[in-house]
Amino acid sequence: AQKITQTQPGMFVQEKEAVTLDCTYDTSDQSYGLFWYKQPSSGEMIFLIYQGSYDEQNATEGRYSLNFQKARKSANLVISASQLGDSAMYFCAMREAVTQGGSEKLVFGKGTKLTVNP
Amino acid sequence: DAGITQSPRHKVTETGTPVTLRCHQTENHRYMYWYRQDPGHGLRLIHYSYGVKDTDKGEVSDGYSVSRSKTEDFLLTLESATSSQTSVYFCAISLRDRDTEAFFGQGTRLTVV
Repeated sequence: AQKITQTQPGMFVQEKEAVTLDCTYDTSDQSYGLFWYKQPSSGEMIFLIYQGSYDEQNATEGRYSLNFQKARKSANLVISASQLGDSAMYFCAMREAVTQGGSEKLVFGKGTKLTVNP
Repeated sequence: DAGITQSPRHKVTETGTPVTLRCHQTENHRYMYWYRQDPGHGLRLIHYSYGVKDTDKGEVSDGYSVSRSKTEDFLLTLESATSSQTSVYFCAISLRDRDTEAFFGQGTRLTVV
């Protein structure tokens, strides 16, 4: 079963507007972490923002914010005031424990390709 | 930048040959991961390690093996490469703490002909 679901293969937004990229996750763990990464056309993976499962406040990092709705198991990324440089692939990821006191793994969704139009 | 290096960066190999990709870190991070990235599939976890000699399978581990004999090195081996293993491979490292991000290598583009 898919652990991380990103339902939007592609999104378009006008420059200076806000855009929301959707992410839902599936876990039975009580403690987990949610991440968003950006991958520009050059290929590197850039960490954007993190949300812990016990965090009551939504995470924010500059123009990025994470709309965390725990009961719905969603962790949507909101980018405010889009810029042309925001055009990239965006990946949602979840880190969860595999065994008690043992390993953890980090799994990704399939990504959303965001295009910012001038 | 996190000290993580993948080698080689590019490789072309023939079907049926063994291939080893190396991930080297200078950060002393406990966790190391190998992913493959293919269009339409995002990043899929192949294998990961949570310590020296401690490894586990990810979602697409068939045809791959790994070894971690030292904290700093995590090797991914394709025992007998197939064309379906043509992909971009990423290594990532992270601390144990769940609230720290993973740092990624630059990726290895592998082509199996």
